[in-house]
Amino acid sequence: GDSVIQMQGQVTLSENDFLFINCTYSTTGYPTLFWYVQYSGEGPQLLLQVTTANNKGSSRGFEATYDKGTTSFHLQKTSVQEIDSAVYYCAMRDVDSNYQLIWGSGTKLIIKP
Amino acid sequence: DMKVTQMPRYLIKRMGENVLLECGQDMSHETMYWYRQDPGLGLQLIYISYDVDSNSEGDIPKGYRVSRKKREHFSLILDSAKTNQTSVYFCASSRHNNQAPLFGEGTRLSVL
Repeated sequence: GDSVIQMQGQVTLSENDFLFINCTYSTTGYPTLFWYVQYSGEGPQLLLQVTTANNKGSSRGFEATYDKGTTSFHLQKTSVQEIDSAVYYCAMRDVDSNYQLIWGSGTKLIIKP
Repeated sequence: DMKVTQMPRYLIKRMGENVLLECGQDMSHETMYWYRQDPGLGLQLIYISYDVDSNSEGDIPKGYRVSRKKREHFSLILDSAKTNQTSVYFCASSRHNNQAPLFGEGTRLSVL
């Protein structure tokens, strides 16, 4: 069945480090892919989404490319700041799943000051 | 201001009591959702509502029921709450079911 895999449960970086959070998906369809960010004590909020394969989404310095060849949608940021500390969720929506979001398990990003 | 509002934000109940969690949105979104979030398990869909009185079970509906009598309100009901229903519950809404949902701030429920 459809699935979204985030292998990294936690990532710890220092300020100005490069961020890379892994996300791979599995589906037979043509999904829309999302990254959500959840700050402590808040609900998840949409960070970026990409509908079309090989397109890139970007927001607030974060980027992710929908790579249909490798079925990946990794999240990257060149230089992280302490305010980026949060949990990041990768998610997929596909017509095969009646458009219900399928969520990864989340990656907690800790930025050391 | 586009917002999903959840009430209450914090709730403590005893095992066996009934629980009502309320959610509202003023964007006339068709689709509304209830999720629960537990450490290590991420977000799990309890119910989805496609419009008034058009509700479908999600991945973990057991022990829960929902009510949507007006488009802007979606309630989650726990009849006779159990301790394993202690969790953070999130409501979300989207204009249509194929669009990214907007989440509320969550309700932290403790069942003692």
